[in-house]
Amino acid sequence: QKEVEQNSGPLSVPEGAIASLNCTYSDRGSQSFFWYRQYSGKSPELIMFIYSNGDKEDGRFTAQLNKASQYVSLLIRDSQPSDSATYLCAVTPPSNDYKLSFGAGTTVTVRA
Amino acid sequence: AAGVIQSPRHLIKEKRETATLKCYPIPRHDTVYWYQQGPGQDPQFLISFYEKMQSDKGSIPDRFSAQQFSDYHSELNMSSLELGDSALYFCASSDSGINNEQFFGPGTRLTVL
Repeated sequence: QKEVEQNSGPLSVPEGAIASLNCTYSDRGSQSFFWYRQYSGKSPELIMFIYSNGDKEDGRFTAQLNKASQYVSLLIRDSQPSDSATYLCAVTPPSNDYKLSFGAGTTVTVRA
Repeated sequence: AAGVIQSPRHLIKEKRETATLKCYPIPRHDTVYWYQQGPGQDPQFLISFYEKMQSDKGSIPDRFSAQQFSDYHSELNMSSLELGDSALYFCASSDSGINNEQFFGPGTRLTVL
């Protein structure tokens, strides 16, 4: 079992809709949680990070963390065609603060 | 803002050859990480350095080695290359004082023929 699980998609949403991405992690002591966006053939781009339970909003993005359920999500509001990409959930294990463990990614397609 | 720089961007090698990948972190970042991403896969952590010392080691083959130099740049040395080493290799850097937010470089695409 991977440390970080994501629904692989693909997730197709119409332009202007909300895209909802989910991620669960296995290690209850995990401390830091990140969402990266990766376009095909490009490098992962950090778009959100969250450390505390609750919601964190940044522009059209909202990250939600529930440590009791070991669950982190990303909402993309007013989805645009430029949001079409693979979204990677990443977690820092409690054993160290260094490596990121990634989920397999969710591919999002925004239909114009 | 300055980003992570990696060189070369593309590299083609034959089996059993060696390769050296270079990474220049964001200025004032003290930690460097190397990740390998195969086709259709998520990035896999290889190794990291903090203040020029190895800080963590992941699924890095014994044929690979890495180091971080006094100017904080890092090099990943790969020997006895195999076809399965063909992948995107990303370097990321972070400021250890700021919550381990890792910023990735553009990557080096290694093709082993």
